[in-house]
Amino acid sequence: GESVGLHLPTLSVQEGDNSIINCAYSNSASDYFIWYKQESGKGPQFIIDIRSNMDKRQGQRVTVLLNKTVKHLSLQIAATQPGDSAVYFCGSTDKLIFGTGTRLQVFP
Amino acid sequence: NAGVTQTPKFQVLKTGQSMTLQCAQDMNHEYMSWYRQDPGMGLRLIHYSVGAGITDQGEVPNGYNVSRSTTEDFPLRLLSAAPSQTSVYFCASSYGGGGYGYTFGSGTRLTVV
Repeated sequence: GESVGLHLPTLSVQEGDNSIINCAYSNSASDYFIWYKQESGKGPQFIIDIRSNMDKRQGQRVTVLLNKTVKHLSLQIAATQPGDSAVYFCGSTDKLIFGTGTRLQVFP
Repeated sequence: NAGVTQTPKFQVLKTGQSMTLQCAQDMNHEYMSWYRQDPGMGLRLIHYSVGAGITDQGEVPNGYNVSRSTTEDFPLRLLSAAPSQTSVYFCASSYGGGGYGYTFGSGTRLTVV
């Protein structure tokens, strides 16, 4: 069945560095991908999305890259801040299937 | 706007009891869904609805029922609670369906003893 998974369960970065969180998906028919951020004790919050006809989309300090050839997408966070510490999920259409998440830890 | 409101925030049930988790949104979103989140795991889709009167099963539907009589409300019913249903439950809604720009509620933490 369809699956969306993440390569690493935990990512530790130093404040100010760039972070890259990776995600793999199995359904080549997926046409829409989303990244969510979940802080401790809260529900997920939408960060950025990308359609399958794009290979890159930029937001404020975040960039999502999509490689359909290898069915991989990544979330890049520039100048990582302590407030970026959270679990990050990628999801795909249609029913919004999520991966297990990557915990981003930012240390000073 | 309140967004997506879930009640209750916390609940303890005994095995075999039934209850309904409430979810309401005031954004006129057509698409609503329920997820459960267990420690160390991601969000797993229980049921979803693409509009009033329409519901469908997600990844882990067993033991749960839903209905969608109005656009605003999407309650989740536990028919006979089991300890395996101890989890945090999130409701989400979206305007366009397919997960576009989902808004999540703050969650209901359910413990079944």
